[in-house]
Amino acid sequence: IAGITQAPTSQILAAGRRMTLRCTQDMRHNAMYWYRQDLGLGLRLIHYSNTAGTTGKGEVPDGYSVSRANTDDFPLTLASAVPSQTSVYFCASSPGQGNVDTQYFGPGTRLTVL
Amino acid sequence: GQSLEQPSEVTAVEGAIVQINCTYQTSGFYGLSWYQQHDGGAPTFLSYNALDGLEETGRFSSFLSRSDSYGYLLLQELQMKDSASYFCAVTLMDSNYQLIWGAGTKLIIKP
Repeated sequence: IAGITQAPTSQILAAGRRMTLRCTQDMRHNAMYWYRQDLGLGLRLIHYSNTAGTTGKGEVPDGYSVSRANTDDFPLTLASAVPSQTSVYFCASSPGQGNVDTQYFGPGTRLTVL
Repeated sequence: GQSLEQPSEVTAVEGAIVQINCTYQTSGFYGLSWYQQHDGGAPTFLSYNALDGLEETGRFSSFLSRSDSYGYLLLQELQMKDSASYFCAVTLMDSNYQLIWGAGTKLIIKP
């Protein structure tokens, strides 16, 4: 069982380019999340999905979009990357509203926007 | 607004006991969680307190006092592998079960 996988592991991107970060889980969890973590800071929620077919905005959603076509996949898209989006991006999942407090994280994607 | 405060850094000696505090200002929440993150790694779940009191899991214990808006993580018999950052987080009642995170405490362990 892999848990949560993210791709790519790292990426250097030119400003203005479009980029999709991939996230797949094999735990059949209902809820999925995207966070960004900047050096020395905690995690900030970008978008979330409580169940397949639904998404919601977190604390810092601007410049990002997500989709949840099925239970397993939750891609994060940067439509036109800017240098301030340089960060480490973590995808996470949790079983559902009855147990949302235990989140399981992927290994992260290190994104640099130049 | 909602916020959680943690010390930015704590230093302790191998074999000792250390307490990492977390104070919060929230309007209402389901519980307080603690996560561990090693440098370059992903956060991993450690413990969760839904009710006031102490929860023990091996060498780690976590405490919550809602009346004092305060919680802590207690690590006993410190090992070098415990060197990591520790984050507290709360699940807000009015936020679709989202977690709000503290900025993290870097634990430095000296031999």
